[in-house]
Amino acid sequence: NAGVTQTPKFQVLKTGQSMTLQCAQDMNHNSMYWYRQDPGMGLRLIYYSASEGTTDKGEVPNGYNVSRLNKREFSLRLESAAPSQTSVYFCASSTGTLYGYTFGSGTRLTVV
Amino acid sequence: QKEVEQNSGPLSVPEGAIASLNCTYSDRGSQSFFWYRQYSGKSPELIMSIYSNGDKEDGRFTAQLNKASQYVSLLIRDSQPSDSATYLCAVNNGGSEKLVFGKGTKLTVNP
Repeated sequence: NAGVTQTPKFQVLKTGQSMTLQCAQDMNHNSMYWYRQDPGMGLRLIYYSASEGTTDKGEVPNGYNVSRLNKREFSLRLESAAPSQTSVYFCASSTGTLYGYTFGSGTRLTVV
Repeated sequence: QKEVEQNSGPLSVPEGAIASLNCTYSDRGSQSFFWYRQYSGKSPELIMSIYSNGDKEDGRFTAQLNKASQYVSLLIRDSQPSDSATYLCAVNNGGSEKLVFGKGTKLTVNP
């Protein structure tokens, strides 16, 4: 049982480049999330998807887009990367309010 | 934006001592409360959840919830060096599944 799988684990981008972070879960969870974690700022919600076909903005959505491709997969796209998007990105999934999240292993992104 | 506040730490305790981690939250509609442990360079790992006022014990960990005071705490008894990590408090946003996280408290257990 893999849980939540994120790819890639590390990435270096140049300013202005684009990329997609991939996330897949095999736990049949309805809800999926993308967070970023920065020193001193904690985990901040970028986008979330409560179910297949729906997405909503979180606290820090600017500069990002998402796609809930199916129940398993939720991708995060940076169209034109900026140094301010240097961060560690975590995907998570959940099923119901009582169970908390299961996190993926994270993607460490550096934009130069 | 609903807020979750934690002591920034760092918190340092000797091996075998009790570590006490605290968290306050602003959203009175919150119903579910979680503690995550995050080792350096790793992803957060759920260690405790609590939904009702009072204490919940799981091994060396005890979570305490006081909804009237909007306060959640985590006690770690017989602290071990392997407990050294950052502990994140998370609270659900209103009645939704979305969680708001505190910035975390870094705990160091000294042998």
